[in-house]
Amino acid sequence: AQSVTQPDIHITVSEGASLELRCNYSYGATPYLFWYVQSPGQGLQLLLKYFSGDTLVQGIKGFEAEFKRSQSSFNLRKPSVHWSDAAEYFCAPRAGGTSYGKLTFGQGTILTVHP
Amino acid sequence: GAGVSQTPSNKVTEKGKYVELRCDPISGHTALYWYRQSLGQGPEFLIYFQGTGAADDSGLPNDRFFAVRPEGSVSTLKIQRTERGDSAVYLCASSLDGSSGANVLTFGAGSRLTVL
Repeated sequence: AQSVTQPDIHITVSEGASLELRCNYSYGATPYLFWYVQSPGQGLQLLLKYFSGDTLVQGIKGFEAEFKRSQSSFNLRKPSVHWSDAAEYFCAPRAGGTSYGKLTFGQGTILTVHP
Repeated sequence: GAGVSQTPSNKVTEKGKYVELRCDPISGHTALYWYRQSLGQGPEFLIYFQGTGAADDSGLPNDRFFAVRPEGSVSTLKIQRTERGDSAVYLCASSLDGSSGANVLTFGAGSRLTVL
């Protein structure tokens, strides 16, 4: 069965510190991979996506993610966190073929940023 | 419009009542999706429309849930005989073309449903 795991439910970092949010997936073939961010009362906003090609992808707000096929991972990183990055982050793989409409979201990682 | 619009933003109803939630997608987007997000969880897929037809409704939990998109634009999610377990945020998303591998979804702010 297809699944996605975000092992860290809650992460706290200091402003200016680096950040890595983990995402592991289990799919028969390499899925399309997405990271979304959700701020309180806001809709989900796409941070970045991986379809193919270069395994290090750049996104908005200074975020990047690295696809590692051997580890079935797609971890999200940011070199220096800002207080405005406090939000909930979701990894969401999507299978190919006829399932283009169906994202499978992880449970989410809540990020708290201390001043 | 500029983004995906959902109404109402909040809905409180009593157990057993009928509820309709509306989604107005981005103009020109042919694909529309409904997801449900329960407290503390990631969104879960409900149904996906390509044009007027439901291309995948495998996520609808039971026959109390139904969605329509009669003209290929606005969609309505309908819930009959609501139960307390239906309480959640219902998210709508749209994309240019659901049949493309490069498909990227844009989400609305959601409709929060509370069943008392």
